[in-house]
Amino acid sequence: NAGVTQTPKFQVLKTGQSMTLQCAQDMNHEYMSWYRQDPGMGLRLIHYSVGAGITDQGEVPNGYNVSRSTTEDFPLRLLSAAPSQTSVYFCASSQTLAGGVTGELFFGEGSRLTVL
Amino acid sequence: QKEVEQDPGPLSVPEGAIVSLNCTYSNSAFQYFMWYRQYSRKGPELLMYTYSSGNKEDGRFTAQVDKSSKYISLFIRDSQPSDSATYLCAMNNAGNMLTFGGGTRLMVKP
Repeated sequence: NAGVTQTPKFQVLKTGQSMTLQCAQDMNHEYMSWYRQDPGMGLRLIHYSVGAGITDQGEVPNGYNVSRSTTEDFPLRLLSAAPSQTSVYFCASSQTLAGGVTGELFFGEGSRLTVL
Repeated sequence: QKEVEQDPGPLSVPEGAIVSLNCTYSNSAFQYFMWYRQYSRKGPELLMYTYSSGNKEDGRFTAQVDKSSKYISLFIRDSQPSDSATYLCAMNNAGNMLTFGGGTRLMVKP
């Protein structure tokens, strides 16, 4: 039972490069989300999706794009990497209840990104 | 001011101690309150989940919510070295976004 799988686990980029962080879940969850975690800032929501074809912005969406073509996959794209995007990125999924997220998020192991 | 405040610690206690972890918040619309535990270099995992005010107990863990004071707590009884981790509070207003505190790092020394 894989749960939420993120790739890559580590990545170093140069300023201006683009890349995609991959996220896949095998629990048939409608809700998927991307967070970034920085020291002292906790987890901040970047983008989320409540189903295939539906995405929305979170607290810190600038510089990131997402798409949801299938229930299982929710990739996060960095369009032109900046040093401020150096962080640990977590993908999380959940069932939904009455149209909202239940609060029981299942997290991946994280992707550590460094932008030089 | 952040919507959810949490003392970053670190909090260091001896094995067997009772641990109290706390969060304060400003948004009175929050209805669902969660505690997540995060081990070093791992993703967070849900520990406790409560709705509205009151207490919830699960083994050595007790979660308390006081909506009138906008204050939530997590108590750990008989703390163990394996409880050493970062504890994150999180809240939700039944919408699509959880709001997390910054996390408190706990160290339980044998």
